[in-house]
Parts: sequence; C-alpha cells; structure tokens
Amino acid sequence: DGGITQSPKYLFRKEGQNVTLSCEQNLNHDAMYWYRQDPGQGLRLIYYSQIVNDFQKGDIAEGYSVSREKKESFPLTVTSAQKNPTAFYLCASSIDPGPNPNEQYFGPGTRLTVT
Amino acid sequence: GQNIDQPTEMTATEGAIVQINCTYQTSGFNGLFWYQQHAGEAPTFLSYNVLDGLEEKGRFSSFLSRSKGYSYLLLKELQMKDSASYLCAVENSWGKLQFGAGTQVVVTP
Repeated sequence: DGGITQSPKYLFRKEGQNVTLSCEQNLNHDAMYWYRQDPGQGLRLIYYSQIVNDFQKGDIAEGYSVSREKKESFPLTVTSAQKNPTAFYLCASSIDPGPNPNEQYFGPGTRLTVT
Repeated sequence: GQNIDQPTEMTATEGAIVQINCTYQTSGFNGLFWYQQHAGEAPTFLSYNVLDGLEEKGRFSSFLSRSKGYSYLLLKELQMKDSASYLCAVENSWGKLQFGAGTQVVVTP
C-alpha cells in the first residue's frame, strides 16, 4: 500500500532539546512539505522540497531545519530556537507540481508537546 | 500575499444540507482545493476547482467563481461521519498551497 508515514504519533520533549520528526513516503512523489497546525489557524508551511538535495523555506521556517537526502524521506528537526514548538506537525507529498494541480497527500501527523 | 476566509463553525442536523463558503484574495491563482480533516488525523482531498462553475462528486459539490474570489463546498444528505473540519486551500501560480483556518462542521442527530 502506498502512502505517507510519520512517526511517532505523539512526542514529548523538554524545552531546550532538539527533536527530529520523521516523514517517509512510498508514492514516488518528487515534492514533500512540512506544515504546522495550531488551533484556530490554517496549516502553515515550514519547509518544502521539490527534488532530492534541495529544499526551500516556507512561511515560518525559523527554528526548524530539514534535509532531503533520499526521495522517500524528509525529516524535520525542531530546534531549541523555535520559540513555540508545541503543535501538530503534518508532512505531505505531491507529484512534481509543475504542470499538474498540486494535490498534496498528507501523513497522519505528529503531535509534539514541549514543556 | 494571500488572505483566505471561511467560517469557524457550522452546525446542521443529519440529512440536511450545509454550504461552507470560502473567500480569497491572492496575487496569483491556479486553483482551489477542499480537504476534509477529522480531529487529530490527516487532511484528505475532496475536490479541486480550476474553472468557474460547479463540480459534483456524490454528496459533495464544490463551486468556484474566479472573478469574485469565492468558492463554496456543499455537503448534502449529511451523515454523522461528516462531522469534521473542512479546509479551503488556494494554489498560487507557483504551485504553493495557502490554507484557510478551516470550518468545523458539527452534525447533530
């Protein structure tokens, strides 16, 4: 079965620690994305990557970092510099959005709580 | 930039019809998506409109007016399982999606 997996579902960390959220897809999609979702707000784009070894900042990249060493994987690191890291994090992927509507397929999300 | 507005919450009874409006202002427009998201789960694709008019897909229909910057999602014959958040997302000229805050639909017996 093709899809996107994110692990873990729930993650708890102490303030000041970096934490890495995993995202894997076996849909053979070129593009991958990270969003955060907060109550009462829309999904906000953190980082995206359209091709291996390349990625771009989204609207709220400060305090986050990513890598794209393999087509299937796009891990997100939430650093201690992120001032308000507690949120629901969603990873998504899409076929090369160039000529196509950019329909994005989402993973099940990771709920990160930092205390 | 982009600005996307949709109501925060709507309540309707089982079997009824609900219309969720979405208005947007954008500097570049490719199309508009509607996603459904149950609490704590992944958003799932419902519809995509690029041309003006109504797209019907079973109990769900979506309408777009590009000149008015307006779309709506129509849910017919509401079922309890339709209780969810409905996200409007505008695709800009560069393929990026900008999401509205979502409309929570509550279906009551």
